[in-house]
Amino acid sequence: SYELTQALSVSVALGQTASITCGGNIIGSKNVHWYQQKPGQAPVVIIYRDRNRPSGIPERFSGSNSGNTATLTISSAQAGDEADYYCQVWDSSTAVFGGGTKLTVL
Amino acid sequence: EVQLLESGGGLVQPGGSLRLSCAASGFTFSSYTMNWVRQPPGKGLEWVSGITGSGDGTYYADSVKGRFTISRDNSKNTLYLQMNSLRADDTAVYSCAKRGTGGDPEFDYWGQGTLVSVSS
Repeated sequence: SYELTQALSVSVALGQTASITCGGNIIGSKNVHWYQQKPGQAPVVIIYRDRNRPSGIPERFSGSNSGNTATLTISSAQAGDEADYYCQVWDSSTAVFGGGTKLTVL
Repeated sequence: EVQLLESGGGLVQPGGSLRLSCAASGFTFSSYTMNWVRQPPGKGLEWVSGITGSGDGTYYADSVKGRFTISRDNSKNTLYLQMNSLRADDTAVYSCAKRGTGGDPEFDYWGQGTLVSVSS
């Protein structure tokens, strides 16, 4: 079965840029989606199909995907960006999630 | 406005059964594949099951195959998950999620979830 690997945690200084990666075998050939989940809340899609932002998601959030790594980049990180971030792909009609990365804004 | 409201969670003994429901509104329910995703306390997201808009296609994670059954009633705009032979590791918040459109789409709307606790 397909697996996605994410770092457990990432820290970023306020106003700086954070990169959260999602590793998978030839993940560049798949569509990667990113979700943000704050405590006690449902996940929210922030990037879909590698690099697209739903309406209402700030331009500070961007995505890329190539080779064996997909990356979520958060520019000018704000305190409100502290959350868990999950990547997700489809593999043979089943959805696969990464283990999630907790972002801490210092 | 899209709304997904789950119900039916609770405390159940190992080996027991529960039926979850997800009431949908704000979109043409029968046109979309719907899914169940669960999250054990303090842990990550795990996809559980999906069902096509017409109900003729169903998909399951290996961890629940043979024990859980997904279904839908498009006349009631409601998604279901019948859970049998429950185990302690099934303990989680269960959320329904709407799949978007196109190839390999995202989950564009999620419910708040309902907690299932399996314990003696």
